[in-house]
Amino acid sequence: SAVISQKPSRDICQRGTSLTIQCQVDSQVTMMFWYRQQPGQSLTLIATANQGSEATYESGFVIDKFPISRPNLTFSTLTVSNMSPEDSSIYLCSAGKMNTEAFFGQGTRLTVV
Amino acid sequence: QKEVEQNSGPLSVPEGAIASLNCTYSDRVSQSFFWYRQYSGKSPELIMSIYSNGDKEDGRFTAQLNKASQYVSLLIRDSQPSDSATYLCAVIPYGGSQGNLIFGKGTKLSVKP
Repeated sequence: SAVISQKPSRDICQRGTSLTIQCQVDSQVTMMFWYRQQPGQSLTLIATANQGSEATYESGFVIDKFPISRPNLTFSTLTVSNMSPEDSSIYLCSAGKMNTEAFFGQGTRLTVV
Repeated sequence: QKEVEQNSGPLSVPEGAIASLNCTYSDRVSQSFFWYRQYSGKSPELIMSIYSNGDKEDGRFTAQLNKASQYVSLLIRDSQPSDSATYLCAVIPYGGSQGNLIFGKGTKLSVKP
């Protein structure tokens, strides 16, 4: 399985600001995804990060709020824009190769105050 | 709306017993099913994947899939206190790719010494 590193592991941010989360994979993977896990809840897919093109967003998530980049096969970023306390969650990067299982990074615990 | 349903628990079993975790899914044509374990404050860890009807065994873990009943389960034999965690059932919906997962809300398992 690929080793997935996320930075930062946690942050406390002021409302109205933005935070960019980085995800680095130690080997080339086909697929990269971003998930959100709100307190006490399960995981919800935000978007699929596509290399060199715009991300594919799930219903309820938009590019203006969660811009995503994926400049190459091993790196992606998720930005949480104009944050409010409702954005306080764990954000998780997931990656895998085609037709293999996907694995998760350690997550970024975001608190918005 | 494609859904994955799990009993939230908590499910409490004594050490050494068999823990049985259940999951149903709404998308009849789903093909790929996964069980993740999530310790408190940690990211999900893949423990089992199953793609065909029947049983799949890996050490103390057995996954069971019944596509006709849209049901997938996880059995943990000889349960240990270290198995205490939340177990997340996840499904790739029809047309989805690896990592594009729909998660259940998870079942919290507590193994008592």
